[in-house]
Amino acid sequence: KQEVTQIPAALSVPEGENLVLNCSFTDSAIYNLQWFRQDPGKGLTSLLLIQSSQREQTSGRLNASLDKSSGRSTLYIAASQPGDSATYLCAAMDSNYQLIWGAGTKLIIKP
Amino acid sequence: NAGVTQTPKFQVLKTGQSMTLQCAQDMNHEYMSWYRQDPGMGLRLIHYSVGAGITDQGEVPNGYNVSRSTTEDFPLRLLSAAPSQTSVYFCASSPGTGLSEQYFGPGTRLTVT
Repeated sequence: KQEVTQIPAALSVPEGENLVLNCSFTDSAIYNLQWFRQDPGKGLTSLLLIQSSQREQTSGRLNASLDKSSGRSTLYIAASQPGDSATYLCAAMDSNYQLIWGAGTKLIIKP
Repeated sequence: NAGVTQTPKFQVLKTGQSMTLQCAQDMNHEYMSWYRQDPGMGLRLIHYSVGAGITDQGEVPNGYNVSRSTTEDFPLRLLSAAPSQTSVYFCASSPGTGLSEQYFGPGTRLTVT
């Protein structure tokens, strides 16, 4: 059974730093790996979707990588800003087309 | 486009009561799903639908019913609420079978006392 883990559960960094959020999964048979952002009291916003045949995707200051062989994905945020403060969730789509979710990393960017 | 809308935003129920959480999307998406989010855990899939008239169970379907009579609407019914169903519920939709980007509603925070 696929399991998705995100470590750390919380992270606080000063504004301007580059940072990496980690996501690991136990079964490499995935269709894609997705990163989402969740703001308090709000729904989830899709950030990046990496298909299983891809190694990375980029959107603005965000870059997500995927290494299926090691069961890892990372979300790189460049030049962090206070507006990046949110909870970041990753989800792996398994062989049944179901998304299996990590518990998230709560990110705080200090001004 | 309004995207994915959910009502109500907040709800308090007593044990044993029933209610329906509403979800609608105006993007003509075929795929819709319901998740629950509990503290310290990832989202868990309750039910999903790949098109009007077709529904299937997810990881945690017990205590919930769904129907999909139109492409736009996908209501979630709690038959007899229990404290274990206290959670935040999210509805999502996507154009395809799940391989494409998913769009989420703002959520419904449900408390069962």
